[in-house]
Amino acid sequence: GIQVEQSPPDLILQEGANSTLRCNFSDSVNNLQWFHQNPWGQLINLFYIPSGTKQNGRLSATTVATERYSLLYISSSQTTDSGVYFCAVTGNEKLTFGTGTRLTIIP
Amino acid sequence: DAGVIQSPRHEVTEMGQEVTLRCKPISGHDYLFWYRQTMMRGLELLIYFNNNVPIDDSGMPEDRFSAKMPNASFSTLKIQPSEPRDSAVYFCASSPVWTGGNYGYTFGSGTRLTVV
Repeated sequence: GIQVEQSPPDLILQEGANSTLRCNFSDSVNNLQWFHQNPWGQLINLFYIPSGTKQNGRLSATTVATERYSLLYISSSQTTDSGVYFCAVTGNEKLTFGTGTRLTIIP
Repeated sequence: DAGVIQSPRHEVTEMGQEVTLRCKPISGHDYLFWYRQTMMRGLELLIYFNNNVPIDDSGMPEDRFSAKMPNASFSTLKIQPSEPRDSAVYFCASSPVWTGGNYGYTFGSGTRLTVV
């Protein structure tokens, strides 16, 4: 099946800093989503982005499908951004999740 | 829309007891998925339905697990008998199409199951 790798596994930043999270996938995809799992365990859908660039407030994402990677940018980090960020993809089969990036924002 | 609704939010049960988790997908979504999240294995797909029909249950860990979707607005995941290693967070998700459509898959808030 398709492999999804995320980096870095852990990231600790001061409030106000910017960050870039990366997702690499091993095959062509029909669907790519970024999720934020907050400290309460909820999976929040951030972006549906199989290709191109999208922005939502302080967050933006870019997927370069031909090179099989996606990037999630977080600007001016806030403590509420803490949690685990997952990339998930669908190729010819099920939605497969990466192992996540744990982001901790320090006040 | 209220989103994907799961119940209960938390469940604590004794080993050997039957556990039933419930999910109400978003109206109009033809696909429903059950995922399990553990520290060791991350998020893994257990089973998914298309138009109420189970399509792929290869992720169901063993015969103690069963899932049903009697109609388009309701699905259950049952564990009988439950074991401590079943402790995990169980998520339900729905989607209008296989690829996710314009917004992707929508996940419920999950059920945190603890088997003691």
